[in-house]
Amino acid sequence: KAGVTQTPRYLIKTRGQQVTLSCSPISGHRSVSWYQQTPGQGLQFLFEYFSETQRNKGNFPGRFSGRQFSNSRSEMNVSTLELGDSALYLCASSLVAGGGTEAFFGQGTRLTVV
Amino acid sequence: DAKTTQPNSMESNEEEPVHLPCNHSTISGTDYIHWYRQLPSQGPEYVIHGLTSNVNNRMASLAIAEDRKSSTLILHRATLRDAAVYYCILPRGGGFQKLVFGTGTRLLVSP
Repeated sequence: KAGVTQTPRYLIKTRGQQVTLSCSPISGHRSVSWYQQTPGQGLQFLFEYFSETQRNKGNFPGRFSGRQFSNSRSEMNVSTLELGDSALYLCASSLVAGGGTEAFFGQGTRLTVV
Repeated sequence: DAKTTQPNSMESNEEEPVHLPCNHSTISGTDYIHWYRQLPSQGPEYVIHGLTSNVNNRMASLAIAEDRKSSTLILHRATLRDAAVYYCILPRGGGFQKLVFGTGTRLLVSP
């Protein structure tokens, strides 16, 4: 079965612009989480969605937002981009939400802000 | 979220077993122990998870201490493809899916 698909794979944006990243989870998975990975901070949790509801949010400014659609696909948006937002953004999907469930990650979207 | 402690790096030779340790002394009774790994230029990959008993799957084995304050990921025969950063994680339970990644252990495998 198809894995987690993230689009686009690479993106270059200018400071001040906004960006929308997309994540299609594994078919049947209802939980989608987003992570940011940078060399300095490592992998950090952004937020989690389950059944179109944001259930958990990491310590990121309000410029970072997301949503989940009825088909479980998810998007995250970053407004007013800053140079420090340059990172690999990863999406993970799980069958259900819970500590006993494994998460499957996509290949990520590499965002470069210039 | 319960904190985990892992060595920064470990080295192994190909075909040899590898034991990757993780300490999680503040683990609670309902915390699962998950292991993920990240190969270069890829997203993290699920390896194995367990609660109290030792677990085996096609990729690895997970040995959990009796008091659950530590665990060990065992790769039975390391290959070059196993060179990656390995993360030991205790996801928050209660119906949430949130993984808190530490710095992990960078495994180097030599031919």
